[in-house]
Amino acid sequence: KNQVEQSPQSLIILEGKNCTLQCNYTVSPFSNLRWYKQDTGRGPVSLTIMTFSENTKSNRRYTATLDADTKQSSLHITASQLSDSASYICVVSALTGGGNKLTFGTGTQLKVEL
Amino acid sequence: DTEVTQTPKHLVMGMTNKKSLKCEQHMGHRAMYWYKQKAKKPPELMFVYSYEKLSINESVPSRFSPECPNSSLLNLHLHALQPEDSALYLCASSQDSGRGGYGYTFGSGTRLTVV
Repeated sequence: KNQVEQSPQSLIILEGKNCTLQCNYTVSPFSNLRWYKQDTGRGPVSLTIMTFSENTKSNRRYTATLDADTKQSSLHITASQLSDSASYICVVSALTGGGNKLTFGTGTQLKVEL
Repeated sequence: DTEVTQTPKHLVMGMTNKKSLKCEQHMGHRAMYWYKQKAKKPPELMFVYSYEKLSINESVPSRFSPECPNSSLLNLHLHALQPEDSALYLCASSQDSGRGGYGYTFGSGTRLTVV
């Protein structure tokens, strides 16, 4: 069964600090992995997308890594801001006979405080 | 602002009402999706349209009826909903449904409350 697990479930950090969120997956056949940021009551916004051959991808203060051998990914947030408070969702895509199929993690709820 | 536009942003409806959610994209994507998301849960796939044809229906109750008038529009018709159907309804689109979902983009969602 395809699964995506994220840790920690929630995290509180002080403004300006860095943090790292983890994602482990058992999705096959693997196509790509995405990180989304979702504000409460809003749709998810894509931060990064990585394919099998990509190890690192950055988008402003967000840096995602992918280890396809161990099936692990991380999202590192640098110099956090209050606006980073949101849910961060790891989504893994598999190519199946019926087309693309996304498996969502349950998210990490991040709160950035003064 | 997202390139997938959903209207309305908020909707309150009674259990006997009929309403529709609308989704529009102009990115030339040929696959469009409806998701349902409850609080603090990941989105759950409801329907997939590929090249304007329904390709996946995840056993969604018939009180939810999707419609794809053209490649840019996706509607979700609602009738006789239950309070437990209250959720955030998300529309998404991608280049097509079979290439790893490249360009997968979500709308901002419609917050639906059934009273």
